[in-house]
Amino acid sequence: DQQVKQNSPSLSVQEGRISILNCDYTNSMFDYFLWYKKYPAEGPTFLISISSIKDKNEDGRFTVFLNKSAKHLSLHIVPSQPGDSAVYFCAASPRGGGNKLTFGTGTQLKVEL
Amino acid sequence: NAGVMQNPRHLVRRRGQEARLRCSPMKGHSHVYWYRQLPEEGLKFMVYLQKENIIDESGMPKERFSAEFPKEGPSILRIQQVVRGDSAAYFCASSQKGGVSHRGPTIYFGEGSWLTVV
Repeated sequence: DQQVKQNSPSLSVQEGRISILNCDYTNSMFDYFLWYKKYPAEGPTFLISISSIKDKNEDGRFTVFLNKSAKHLSLHIVPSQPGDSAVYFCAASPRGGGNKLTFGTGTQLKVEL
Repeated sequence: NAGVMQNPRHLVRRRGQEARLRCSPMKGHSHVYWYRQLPEEGLKFMVYLQKENIIDESGMPKERFSAEFPKEGPSILRIQQVVRGDSAAYFCASSQKGGVSHRGPTIYFGEGSWLTVV
């Protein structure tokens, strides 16, 4: 059962525009949600996280929004840059589950010039 | 300040051989996690270890897979009698504490070990 879902395998955006990556989850016991960025042949790099008690967290060009009633979160990148081209993974941590993360299948973002 | 170190980065094994993947956590970290990424899939949790203890192995396949984190030396993920379906990227991560910080889970991933079974 896929508890964290990223339904868009790929997204293409023009440089300077906003990139919106979406993630849905089914487990209401998730406590934290995280976004990771991954380049080919490298490990995931932490981008930004949000606690389940919040609905927004911002860090520079990256903002994560959480809609608990819809069990949906999104990552906004603005403005998008060519260096943002990578695979983005949504992940979730259950209450009391510590660092045991459940990952989505990823969205390949391509930022075009 | 070295990050999480994994080796080998790439490993090719014939069916039936053994694969050993090593992971040295970040300095000061005593908690290690192994995740596996099959082609076209997300990372999946395999096992969580502290020094000399397996804390959670709920994601480990029941047979052929084992993990250890000895008092001295790196953590080892061992796959016996490999099959083609074991071909994947294996990521190790480490954390200072087992629980989340006030910012949430804080684990740092290594660059991965790519296992190819031929």
